[in-house]
Amino acid sequence: ETGVTQSPTHLIKTRGQQVTLRCSSQSGHNTVSWYQQALGQGPQFIFQYYREEENGRGNFPPRFSGLQFPNYSSELNVNALELDDSALYLCASSLEGARDEKLFFGSGTQLSVL
Amino acid sequence: GDSVTQMEGPVTLSEEAFLTINCTYTATGYPSLFWYVQYPGEGLQLLLKATKADDKGSNKGFEATYRKETTSFHLEKGSVQVSDSAVYFCALTTGGGNKLTFGTGTQLKVEL
Repeated sequence: ETGVTQSPTHLIKTRGQQVTLRCSSQSGHNTVSWYQQALGQGPQFIFQYYREEENGRGNFPPRFSGLQFPNYSSELNVNALELDDSALYLCASSLEGARDEKLFFGSGTQLSVL
Repeated sequence: GDSVTQMEGPVTLSEEAFLTINCTYTATGYPSLFWYVQYPGEGLQLLLKATKADDKGSNKGFEATYRKETTSFHLEKGSVQVSDSAVYFCALTTGGGNKLTFGTGTQLKVEL
């Protein structure tokens, strides 16, 4: 077990709705990143937060947004949901500046958009 | 842009068989290379990594060597066990941080 927890584990939404996914980082970790894993595909990088600011973003539209809180927990928000947003969303935390910046992944939130 | 190509699965082996999962990459600069494993119902776990050419990453009997000349990072294990059944992802990063580029994953099934 990695110490990274995500909630909820499963979620069903309809097209056009908004969704918020939550992640609690491993204790002491100050960096969090989010990935989207479509069925049968590898995870794709959405963005990264360090000290409550976004400091890296993949090829995702602005309706994907995030927050990182002072306790280093994080949220991923997706507006105007589309059918193609159906995927497993993974959160990963790490300690920026550590000699071995190892990523620790949560088990993910499975989002289904109908 | 960066990309990772893995052999398609599923790969089905008998216990104690030799495993190779091929991985090749395209990257700008000098990437660090990784293998992650995903067991059913769990998140990704780092299996091994290599940060420069000719480095060999190893863990739990798995090995992979960073081959710059062939842009490859093939995963090998001499004798697989049923408990190795999982999906294996090859990945790279060129910018450091948490921005990993993953392959599509290779499912491994090990049977008795």
